[in-house]
Amino acid sequence: QKEVEQDPGPLSVPEGAIVSLNCTYSNSAFQYFMWYRQYSRKGPELLMYTYSSGNKEDGRFTAQVDKSSKYISLFIRDSQPSDSATYLCAMSHDSGNTPLVFGKGTRLSVIA
Amino acid sequence: DVKVTQSSRYLVKRTGEKVFLECVQDMDHENMFWYRQDPGLGLRLIYFSYDVKMKEKGDIPEGYSVSREKKERFSLILESTSTNQTSMYLCASSFALGSEKLFFGSGTQLSVL
Repeated sequence: QKEVEQDPGPLSVPEGAIVSLNCTYSNSAFQYFMWYRQYSRKGPELLMYTYSSGNKEDGRFTAQVDKSSKYISLFIRDSQPSDSATYLCAMSHDSGNTPLVFGKGTRLSVIA
Repeated sequence: DVKVTQSSRYLVKRTGEKVFLECVQDMDHENMFWYRQDPGLGLRLIYFSYDVKMKEKGDIPEGYSVSREKKERFSLILESTSTNQTSMYLCASSFALGSEKLFFGSGTQLSVL
């Protein structure tokens, strides 16, 4: 079993839709959870960062962590064509002394 | 603005050639990383370094080596390229190893013919 599982998509939605992107993981030691966004022909950039369980909101983006289910989500409200990108989840152990473990990424297209 | 700069955007090489991929960061970060990214396989860690002259193997170090002589510079070396090393190579840096934001370069698309 892979440490982090992420549905690769591709996912195509109409403009204005609510998007839900998800990752599951197997290692209960993960404490730091991140979402990176990667535009075509660019490197990933950090979008959301959460520590342990709970929700975090930033504008149209909400990150949720459910440690009991080993499940994290990224919600995008009122999606825009500019949100079209690959979204990668990432997480690390509670020590913070090992490199991040990435999901494979979900490719999202928002159609105008 | 913080920056991670990769020396080449596109490279085309023939099998057996030696390749140096260079990465420079201007944020005084302790940690630097080399990943490769392939469709369907995601990001895979090749090597990382947590200090000058220090290096650690990642998940797929075979066929690669690295050099970090200065804090700001981390080089990936492919001693004898093969076609299965055709990939997007991404360099990243961070202040702390696992709990801090990674800053990525724009990547080098390497094609080995």
